[in-house]
Amino acid sequence: AQKITQTQPGMFVQEKEAVTLDCTYDTSDQSYGLFWYKQPSSGEMIFLIYQGSYDEQNATEGRYSLNFQKARKSANLVISASQLGDSAMYFCAMREGFFSGGYNKLIFGAGTRLAVHP
Amino acid sequence: EAQVTQNPRYLITVTGKKLTVTCSQNMNHEYMSWYRQDPGLGLRQIYYSMNVEVTDKGDVPEGYKVSRKEKRNFPLILESPSPNQTSLYFCASSPGLEQFFGPGTRLTVL
Repeated sequence: AQKITQTQPGMFVQEKEAVTLDCTYDTSDQSYGLFWYKQPSSGEMIFLIYQGSYDEQNATEGRYSLNFQKARKSANLVISASQLGDSAMYFCAMREGFFSGGYNKLIFGAGTRLAVHP
Repeated sequence: EAQVTQNPRYLITVTGKKLTVTCSQNMNHEYMSWYRQDPGLGLRQIYYSMNVEVTDKGDVPEGYKVSRKEKRNFPLILESPSPNQTSLYFCASSPGLEQFFGPGTRLTVL
């Protein structure tokens, strides 16, 4: 069963506008972590933001924020004031809890390709 | 500079010719891992290592081997590569939470 679902294969946004990239996850663990990574065309994986399942506040890192809705099992990435350099592939990933056996890996979604238009 | 390095970055080879992709990290991390990235599938874990001489299978280990003789190095070995192992490979290391990825190795098996 797919544990991380990114339903938007591609998105586009106008420069300076905000964009939300969707991510839903499936786990029976109470303790887990959610990550977002950016992969530009050069190929490297860049860590953006992390949300722990027990964190009460939504995570924020500069222009990135994570809209964490635990009951809905969603962890959407919000990019505010989009820039041309934000054009990239974005991956949502989950690390499950220690006792589930999934602690030692990240489970990735298929990714969303974001294009920022001037 | 703290980093994970991989070599080679690009490799074209033929079916059956053994190859090794090296991975090295200078952050003294105990945990290291290999992933492959395929279109539409995201990244999938191949093998991971919790420490020297401690390795275990990930989700897609078939056709791969690893070793962890030193803390800093975690090579990925393809004993008899096949075309379905054509992919983009990432090595990662972690101090516990965040994973630091190498630059990737693009492998083509003809």
